Amino acid sequence: QVQLQESGPGLVKPSETLSLTCTVSGASITSSYWSWIRQPPGKGLEWIGCFYYRGSTDYSPSLKSRVTISIDASNNQFSLKLTSVTAADTAVYYCARECPDSTSCQSDYWGQGTLVTVST
Amino acid sequence: DIQMTQSPSSLSASVGDRVTISCRASQSISNCLNWYQQQPYKAPNLLIFAASSLQSGVPSRFDGRGSGTNFTLTISSLQPEDFATYYCQQSYSPPRTFGQGTKVEIK
Repeated sequence: QVQLQESGPGLVKPSETLSLTCTVSGASITSSYWSWIRQPPGKGLEWIGCFYYRGSTDYSPSLKSRVTISIDASNNQFSLKLTSVTAADTAVYYCARECPDSTSCQSDYWGQGTLVTVST
Repeated sequence: DIQMTQSPSSLSASVGDRVTISCRASQSISNCLNWYQQQPYKAPNLLIFAASSLQSGVPSRFDGRGSGTNFTLTISSLQPEDFATYYCQQSYSPPRTFGQGTKVEIK
């Protein structure tokens, strides 16, 4: 059974960097794509970006200048960094597995989500 | 970016009703369309991928159809656990954008 678990600070100050880690069990980080998705309180889902172990990354154009997704294969983890945060970045952040095989691309396993609040 | 538009934004229905949610893409996305269900305070759950393939473990009352720009999700007989918010997502090209969601409420 594939499981994902987000971890990181729940409170970040404006202008600082949001950093989250997703720990994966039951699957190797060296297969599939791995993504971050967020959901502001009471709003819809926003795809942030994804990483493929062989070095391919894709980011949402609206966040591309501030986002980095990276992988720590030795610990079977991947991470999200979002710089220069504002209150608009307050959201529940989910990590997910994407594109489980070469024929289709869907998020079939998700973490439970972690709320990150941007505030002084 | 490919824009995804769902309709309606919300609907009220009763247990046993047949419910259909629509999703339209701003350009052709072939069959690269996924559907998710989200219960309050929970992570989304994959229902349908590649427009019409039922994810393992999902009840057969969920049915996805469509290709190109127009897609539908139909719940053939609404059950109490189906009252939730539903999202479509295109997987044709990054960014893999979501629709704004359709909230299914109890009438």
